[in-house]
Amino acid sequence: GAVVSQHPSRVICKSGTSVKIECRSLDFQATTMFWYRQFPKKSLMLMATSNEGSKATYEQGVEKDKFLINHASLTLSTLTVTSAHPEDSSFYICSARLAGPYNEQFFGPGTRLTVL
Amino acid sequence: QKEVEQDPGPLSVPEGAIVSLNCTYSNSAFQYFMWYRQYSRKGPELLMYTYSSGNKEDGRFTAQVDKSSKYISLFIRDSQPSDSATYLCALRGGSNYKLTFGKGTLLTVNP
Repeated sequence: GAVVSQHPSRVICKSGTSVKIECRSLDFQATTMFWYRQFPKKSLMLMATSNEGSKATYEQGVEKDKFLINHASLTLSTLTVTSAHPEDSSFYICSARLAGPYNEQFFGPGTRLTVL
Repeated sequence: QKEVEQDPGPLSVPEGAIVSLNCTYSNSAFQYFMWYRQYSRKGPELLMYTYSSGNKEDGRFTAQVDKSSKYISLFIRDSQPSDSATYLCALRGGSNYKLTFGKGTLLTVNP
């Protein structure tokens, strides 16, 4: 149990286009999901907390107009990178919180974004 | 001083060795302690989750927490080549669900 999927796993796009990444909790409902960014050989950097039915909470320094987050259902959150530029190229990973006594976070497999 | 310190390694051991991975932290508000394993180009996988000081064992893995010293460890017994990955410690306070990660330790187990 506690499986999280992400789609697509890899995307290449041209500079100036927008890219949408989906994060789904497959076998549990998640009122809270998180979006991370990871650079090569670096740890995970939290970008934002996505709450079902409400606005996302962004970490300091993360542009909310650049990284649009929508959490429309208890099993789906989306991250849209708008007007992507080469510096947005990165590994984006989502996680979903399993509500309970421990509130563990389970991670998706990640999405590799390359902006040309 | 960073909130969570973790030696990035790399750490290279022979198959069958006992591996010790560690993190130290400065914020006494952290109450939940996790270890994740991340294979290259994959998402992190939750290995161990502990709340209180002491030891927790799961198969070949033992997580140890010493809140008084602000020190957490993960031990891997009889290490296997398939254990080769980056191991990340993650800590959480009690007031929200955000995780604070260590930098991760790259482990290689040589056959």
